[in-house]
Amino acid sequence: GESVGLHLPTLSVQEGDNSIINCAYSNSASDYFIWYKQESGKGPQFIIDIRSNMDKRQGQRVTVLLNKTVKHLSLQIAATQPGDSAVYFCAEKCWAHFCAGGTSYGKLTFGQGTILTVHP
Amino acid sequence: EAGVVQSPRYKIIEKKQPVAFWCNPISGHNTLYWYRQNLGQGPELLIRYENEEAVDDSQLPKDRFSAERLKGVDSTLKIQPAELGDSAVYLCASSSGRLSRAYEQYFGPGTRLTVT
Repeated sequence: GESVGLHLPTLSVQEGDNSIINCAYSNSASDYFIWYKQESGKGPQFIIDIRSNMDKRQGQRVTVLLNKTVKHLSLQIAATQPGDSAVYFCAEKCWAHFCAGGTSYGKLTFGQGTILTVHP
Repeated sequence: EAGVVQSPRYKIIEKKQPVAFWCNPISGHNTLYWYRQNLGQGPELLIRYENEEAVDDSQLPKDRFSAERLKGVDSTLKIQPAELGDSAVYLCASSSGRLSRAYEQYFGPGTRLTVT
């Protein structure tokens, strides 16, 4: 079935470096993508989202890039800080009334997750 | 403003025993979600409520799982009987509407279930 996955399960960086977390998605009908951060013992926390009609969106220290041609999503974190250490998930959503691949309308489908460790 | 509240935070039970999780969504949020999250995996939707109506329960194993949201506010998720494979974190989330964007879906801290 359709799935959302990550290329790298772990990423280790030094404080102050920039981090890039990648994600591949397979449902071409998905039209909305989200990055979540999940710290130990907590639920996922929204970071940034992007619609399929965009290829880049910037937030505070974070940028999401979307390449629909190769179905690739990435999260860039500038000047990574120890507080950024967490598991990062990409997720997709389909708002079309009929979504290919069995994804129900509006259902959020998460990928596997990447563990980001920031060393001081 | 209080976030999504879940209890208990941790639960250890023996297989074949029943277990129940409780969720109190953010005040005013009419959409409530239950997710299951296995170690190292992203959350997977089990059931979604719009007020007291279950509008998507296609991923809920109905032979042993049940859920209710009687007054359209709090919700309970039950497993009876529990199996070893049910060990996971059970997350509750809420949002203000069916068409809400992702940033409006708030997650609780989850209940970590261990079945021995």
